[in-house]
Amino acid sequence: EDQVTQSPEALRLQEGESSSLNCSYTVSGLRGLFWYRQDPGKGPEFLFTLYSAGEEKEKERLKATLTKKESFLHITAPKPEDSATYLCAVSGRRGSTLGRLYFGRGTQLTVWP
Amino acid sequence: DVKVTQSSRYLVKRTGEKVFLECVQDMDHENMFWYRQDPGLGLRLIYFSYDVKMKEKGDIPEGYSVSREKKERFSLILESASTNQTSMYLCASSFRIGADTQYFGPGTRLTVL
Repeated sequence: EDQVTQSPEALRLQEGESSSLNCSYTVSGLRGLFWYRQDPGKGPEFLFTLYSAGEEKEKERLKATLTKKESFLHITAPKPEDSATYLCAVSGRRGSTLGRLYFGRGTQLTVWP
Repeated sequence: DVKVTQSSRYLVKRTGEKVFLECVQDMDHENMFWYRQDPGLGLRLIYFSYDVKMKEKGDIPEGYSVSREKKERFSLILESASTNQTSMYLCASSFRIGADTQYFGPGTRLTVL
C-alpha cells in the first residue's frame, strides 16, 4: 500500500534559523512527489513536483530534494511569513492512470521573529 | 494561472438536510477530486472523476455522492447531512490522465448542527 509519512509533525524556528522537513514514502513505482503549502483555513497551494531521485527544485527560501525513499524540504533563513503547514504527496503507478495522490499528514511550521 | 473555485467558503446546515457543494475549474482539466480534511487525519479522498459523467469512489465515499454533468463542474452531495460530516471540504483538479499535479480550491468549511 502506498504510504507517506512526514516528520516532524510540528516545527518551531526562530527567524533566520534554517532547517529541513522530511517526507518518507513507500510507493509502487514513483511517478511524482509533490510539495504543497497550506495556510490556515485555505486550500493547499502547489509548490514543487519531483520526478526522479537526485532531482532538486528551488523557490525563494525553499529547496526540495528527492531520494529513492524520501524527500526533504529545506528552508533557508525562514521568515515569519513562511509559517504554514507543508504537505507532501506521492503518485504511484498503481493509481497512476487516474492521477490519484496519496498525502502525508503534514508538518506545521511556525517561524517566530 | 489555474483557477479552482468553490461555491461557498462557510456553510452551516442542519442534520438531515441535503447539501450541495460545487466546484468549478477554468483550465479545461479532465480530472476533478473531492477531499475532506480533518485535524489529525489529513486529506482523505471522497470521490474523483476523470471525465464527464464518470466517477470513482475514493477512500471514504459513504454518505456522499457526486455529479459531473459538465467538464468544468464537479458537485459533491451530502444526501442527509450528519454531524460527523462537519469538516473542511476541498476540491482539486488536474490537467489530464498522467499529469498528476492537482490544484486546489479555497475550501468550504461545513458545519452540521
